[in-house]
Amino acid sequence: SQKIEQNSEALNIQEGKTATLTCNYTNYSPAYLQWYRQDPGRGPVFLLLIRENEKEKRKERLKVTFDTTLKQSLFHITASQPADSATYLCALVISGGYNKLIFGAGTRLAVHP
Amino acid sequence: DADVTQTPRNRITKTGKRIMLECSQTKGHDRMYWYRQDPGLGLRLIYYSFDVKDINKGEISDGYSVSRQAQAKFSLSLESAIPNQTALYFCATSDLAGESSYNEQFFGPGTRLTVL
Repeated sequence: SQKIEQNSEALNIQEGKTATLTCNYTNYSPAYLQWYRQDPGRGPVFLLLIRENEKEKRKERLKVTFDTTLKQSLFHITASQPADSATYLCALVISGGYNKLIFGAGTRLAVHP
Repeated sequence: DADVTQTPRNRITKTGKRIMLECSQTKGHDRMYWYRQDPGLGLRLIYYSFDVKDINKGEISDGYSVSRQAQAKFSLSLESAIPNQTALYFCATSDLAGESSYNEQFFGPGTRLTVL
């Protein structure tokens, strides 16, 4: 069966450290992958997109990697801050006809001062 | 002003009632979507629309219907609400303009629906 897995347990880290979140998938062949941030009581907000032929993408303190062999994406936040505390969702885009987004359940990140 | 708005933001209703959730957008996007979010399950697609003449079922359309009244408006209806439709509902929009934002979706603030 097709699955997208994100760590359901919250990730707790100290301010200033690098947070690393994982997105694993099975039985999908995504054209690209997106990461979103969701704060409590709000809709998800797009952060980054990475294509299947890209290994790594960066935006300010954010870095995403995409390994289609391992079927895994890693999302890193360097020099983390308490304001980075939120739930982070990965979403696969399956190409062909209509490019649907398939979301993972998300991982909650808590950055402590 | 918010680009994607949803009304109501919160709604409590009883089993068997008809409910309509409304979504409006000022982004000028052609594509609009309805999702529901449940704890531990992530966002699941209910319906999507390419334009006012195009409506498509998503992953979990049973028990729901939609109407695309205009490019900017997309409504979700629960004809006869049941308790397992209690969830957070999100509307989203997207456009294909620009390679860097391909299929990036813009979400509304959500509607928290409780069916008793």
